[in-house]
Amino acid sequence: SAVISQKPSRDICQRGTSLTIQCQVDSQVTMMFWYRQQPGQSLTLIATANQGSEATYESGFVIDKFPISRPNLTFSTLTVSNMSPEDSSIYLCSDGGGQGAQGYTFGSGTRLTVV
Amino acid sequence: AQSVTQPDIHITVSEGASLELRCNYSYGATPYLFWYVQSPGQGLQLLLKYFSGDTLVQGIKGFEAEFKRSQSSFNLRKPSVPWSDAAEYFCAVGGYSSASKIIFGSGTRLSIRP
Repeated sequence: SAVISQKPSRDICQRGTSLTIQCQVDSQVTMMFWYRQQPGQSLTLIATANQGSEATYESGFVIDKFPISRPNLTFSTLTVSNMSPEDSSIYLCSDGGGQGAQGYTFGSGTRLTVV
Repeated sequence: AQSVTQPDIHITVSEGASLELRCNYSYGATPYLFWYVQSPGQGLQLLLKYFSGDTLVQGIKGFEAEFKRSQSSFNLRKPSVPWSDAAEYFCAVGGYSSASKIIFGSGTRLSIRP
């Protein structure tokens, strides 16, 4: 399985600011996915990031709030924009398996607290 | 639309007892199925996955899961649980493409009674 490095691991941010989370995969993968895990909740898919095209957002998530970049097959970023305390969550990225469906490995997550 | 249900929010078992965590899915075809574990303050670790073939899947840490198409279920089992298995367990379902998104059940919190 792929190894996924995610950073920062945690951050405390002021409301109204933005934070960019980075996700690096040690192999080329077709798709990358971004999830949010609110306190005590399960994971909710934010968007699918495909290299060379716009990210596909799930219902309830918009590009202005969660812009995503996917410059190559091993890297993606998620920005949480104009943050409010309601954005306090763990944000996780995963690979999409690539050929042979070996993946769906997750990064260790970014624990975000907005104050 | 695909969905996955974990009917048990919280389960408590005695250390050394057997374990079965339930997972039911809804999907138009045979999906990819996963079980993940998340310890407090930790990321997600993949326990096992089912894509095709043998319906009894062996995973890490002595876990196994059985895919039952007729029941749309993918229950996780372990014959004897140590104290260290206390964690949150998530079942997830994805499409039949390796690049499909996966969605998660609501999770089952496992507590271990000494």
